[in-house]
Amino acid sequence: AQSVTQPDIHITVSEGASLELRCNYSYGATPYLFWYVQSPGQGLQLLLKYFSGDTLVQGIKGFEAEFKRSQSSFNLRKPSVHWSDAAEYFCAVLGGGADGLTFGKGTHLIIQP
Amino acid sequence: NAGVTQTPKFQVLKTGQSMTLQCAQDMNHNSMYWYRQDPGMGLRLIYYSASEGTTDKGEVPNGYNVSRLNKREFSLRLESAAPSQTSVYFCASTESLIAGGPGVGIQYFGAGTRLSVL
Repeated sequence: AQSVTQPDIHITVSEGASLELRCNYSYGATPYLFWYVQSPGQGLQLLLKYFSGDTLVQGIKGFEAEFKRSQSSFNLRKPSVHWSDAAEYFCAVLGGGADGLTFGKGTHLIIQP
Repeated sequence: NAGVTQTPKFQVLKTGQSMTLQCAQDMNHNSMYWYRQDPGMGLRLIYYSASEGTTDKGEVPNGYNVSRLNKREFSLRLESAAPSQTSVYFCASTESLIAGGPGVGIQYFGAGTRLSVL
């Protein structure tokens, strides 16, 4: 069975600074990978996805992520964060069937003025 | 185009009461899902329906039942609510990469149902 680890429960970043959120997955074959964002009291919004092809994927709101097979990682990056980026971020993996996503436990992003 | 709609948005139950959470999607997706979200746990899959007429257990199915009423609707029922079922429940549906095939693709989420069981 697949699994996802997000090592950082909380991350604090100053507004305008760069951001990297870590995600490691465990899956035997090439996975489908996702990053979702959840604002307080809201549902989940897809930021970006990796299915195949170019290992650097671009998403909404200026986010990007890089799939590194050798490290089993799919880290999320943003060059300059905005206060509106404060939220909970979830990495997820889909094993290839219709049996749902496996989520990491999330990283809570705090933006300092 | 409403996407995935969940009702109710909030609910408070007493231990032992029953209720049904409703979910409907208008995107013609084949696959639908129910997750629960608990602090520090991320989202965990309760049940899913790969296509109309089929349902399968996920990671945490105990205490729940589901019905795939038609292609649009997928309901989650708590027969006898327990305090451990206090959570936020999310319904999702999947846009398939393979037309008409299994739910391999992007999942779209509803806004959630916040349930408290006293």
